[in-house]
Amino acid sequence: AQSVTQLDSQVPVFEEAPVELRCNYSSSVSVYLFWYVQYPNQGLQLLLKYLSGSTLVKGINGFEAEFNKSQTSFHLRKPSVHISDTAEYFCAVSRTGGGNKLTFGTGTQLKVEL
Amino acid sequence: DTAVSQTPKYLVTQMGNDKSIKCEQNLGHDTMYWYKQDSKKFLKIMFSYNNKELIINETVPNRFSPKSPDKAHLNLHINSLELGDSAVYFCASSHRQGGSTDTQYFGPGTRLTVL
Repeated sequence: AQSVTQLDSQVPVFEEAPVELRCNYSSSVSVYLFWYVQYPNQGLQLLLKYLSGSTLVKGINGFEAEFNKSQTSFHLRKPSVHISDTAEYFCAVSRTGGGNKLTFGTGTQLKVEL
Repeated sequence: DTAVSQTPKYLVTQMGNDKSIKCEQNLGHDTMYWYKQDSKKFLKIMFSYNNKELIINETVPNRFSPKSPDKAHLNLHINSLELGDSAVYFCASSHRQGGSTDTQYFGPGTRLTVL
């Protein structure tokens, strides 16, 4: 079985500052990795995903994430955040050959302040 | 054009009642899902259907019964509602069965409150 750990439940940051949201996963088989964002009172939408190849993945809205197999991590970063980035961010994994099942972490609330 | 839509957006009801939530996707996807998001924002899959056929059932109480009349619709019926059923329920869809790499597209959610 797979599991995802997001250690930070809340991350406050000032506007235009850089931010890193941490995600670690556990799996006995190869996985695919995803970051989804949930804006207030909305559904989730995909930010980016790692399937294979280059370990640095670029997504929408200036976000990027780096897959580190040895540390089983997939941390999300943005060099300069905006107020509009305030949202809940979810890391998720799916097992290769395991169908469509996504296992989510508990989420990190990013709060961008002026 | 809404890709994945759910109705109703809010649902407030008494314990013991039966209620349904409807979901429709216009993306032409083969696979649809129901997720439950609890008060701590933890998101967990409940069911997955591929082209009207159940493929994932995550040990959800049998008071919950999904129904898929066609591949564009996946409804969720809940019998004998309990306080613990209060949550936000999300419908989602993705392109194909077995697509571990596929992006899932989520609806706006239905906030169910059981009094």
